[in-house]
Amino acid sequence: SQTIHQWPATLVQPVGSPLSLECTVEGTSNPNLYWYRQAAGRGLQLLFYSVGIGQISSEVPQNLSASRPQDRQFILSSKKLLLSDSGFYLCAWSLDSYEQYFGPGTRLTVT
Amino acid sequence: GEDVEQSLFLSVREGDSSVINCTYTDSSSTYLYWYKQEPGAGLQLLTYIFSNMDMKQDQRLTVLLNKKDKHLSLRIADTQTGDSAIYFCALGEDNQGGKLIFGQGTELSVKP
Repeated sequence: SQTIHQWPATLVQPVGSPLSLECTVEGTSNPNLYWYRQAAGRGLQLLFYSVGIGQISSEVPQNLSASRPQDRQFILSSKKLLLSDSGFYLCAWSLDSYEQYFGPGTRLTVT
Repeated sequence: GEDVEQSLFLSVREGDSSVINCTYTDSSSTYLYWYKQEPGAGLQLLTYIFSNMDMKQDQRLTVLLNKKDKHLSLRIADTQTGDSAIYFCALGEDNQGGKLIFGQGTELSVKP
C-alpha cells in the first residue's frame, strides 16, 4: 500500500532563515506531487505541483520554491523566511489525477 | 477562476443527520470531492463523485450533486462525536495536472 511522509512535523524558524521541508511517497511510481499551504483560517492554497522528476509548476508567486530530485521526493524550500510563511504545509500525491492523498503536514511557525 | 463556497460552521446532535453544503461557480469541474480534516492532521479523502453522476452513497455518507444549481452536498447519517472535524469540498478538472480547488471548509461540531 502507498504511504506519504512529511518531516519535520513541526518547525519554528526565525525570520530570514532558510527552509527545507521534505515529502516522500512509498509504494507507487511516477506520482503527481503537490504542496499546499493552509493558513490560519482554513483555506488550502496550492503552491506547487509536479507531474515528473524536475517538472515543477508554480501556482502562486512567492519566496518559496519546490524541487523534485527523485521520483517520489518533493522538497519545499525558501532562502529567507517571512512572517507570512507561517502555516500548515501539506504534501499530497495522486495517480491519474482522480484522487489526491495527503500527508500528515508540517506546522511552520516563523518568529 | 473557480470559486468554491461553504458555510463555516455546523452543529448537530449525536444521532442526527448532518448536511454539509458547497456551491461553486465553474461548471467545467470533472470530479468533486469531500475531504475530512481532524485537528492538527492532514486531509482524509472521504468520497468523490464524477460530474456525470447525481448521487453516490457509501455507508453513512451520501453525496448529492445538482449541476444546474452548481451545488454539492454531503449527508452524514447517524452522526457520531467522532465525525467532528472540518469538511472540505474540492473540485478538479481533467487536463489540469490534478489540481484541486478547495472550499474554506465547514467545521462540524457533534454534541452528545
